Amino acid sequence: QAVVTQESSLTVSPGGTVTLTCGSNTGAVTSGHYPYWFQQKPGQVPRTLIFDTNIKHSWTPARFSGSLLGGKAALTLSGVQPEDEADYYCLLSYRGEGVFGGGTRLTVL
Amino acid sequence: EVQLVESGGGLVQPGGSLRLSCVASGIPFSYYFMYWVRQAPGKGLVWVSGIKTDGTITNYADSVKGRFTISRDNAKNTLYLQMNSLRAEDTAVYYCVGQRGDPWGQGTLVIVSS
Repeated sequence: QAVVTQESSLTVSPGGTVTLTCGSNTGAVTSGHYPYWFQQKPGQVPRTLIFDTNIKHSWTPARFSGSLLGGKAALTLSGVQPEDEADYYCLLSYRGEGVFGGGTRLTVL
Repeated sequence: EVQLVESGGGLVQPGGSLRLSCVASGIPFSYYFMYWVRQAPGKGLVWVSGIKTDGTITNYADSVKGRFTISRDNAKNTLYLQMNSLRAEDTAVYYCVGQRGDPWGQGTLVIVSS
């Protein structure tokens, strides 16, 4: 089974910009992996922010954006807010089988 | 109201079986691909299984292949996960998730322990 990699932790200042990445040990991540991004805060159910690389749900704040960057999927937060402190997970599809990354703990400090 | 409600979790001995259910409301269930995702205590998310709208195509993570079976009853708006030969490492909260990651259920806790 494929291995999906994410930064284990990142720190960003309020109002700053940060990019989280999601790589695959099988090669470049493409739109054919249908990248997803999820946010999970302590004690809460995860919520989906982005699907199919860059499509937002109605509840996804405008400051979140998804893209492909340098052979990886990327989640960029522009104008970070304190409430963005959370764990972020990406998910890639490999011909119908999903694999999550290990998650990135984002600290807003 | 859009929601997924899981049930069927609990304490089971290693080698035992459980069947999880997930009842959907507020969504056109028969048109939704559906998935199971789990999360062990203090750990990350793990994709477990997925099923096509009509149940004809199913996929599984390597860690559960041959032990778990996903199915659905579109007439009952219900998704299932039959879990056999359970192991301690299957201990987790199991979430039912709709396509495009919407919605998520609240999860049901499965504990495999003697």
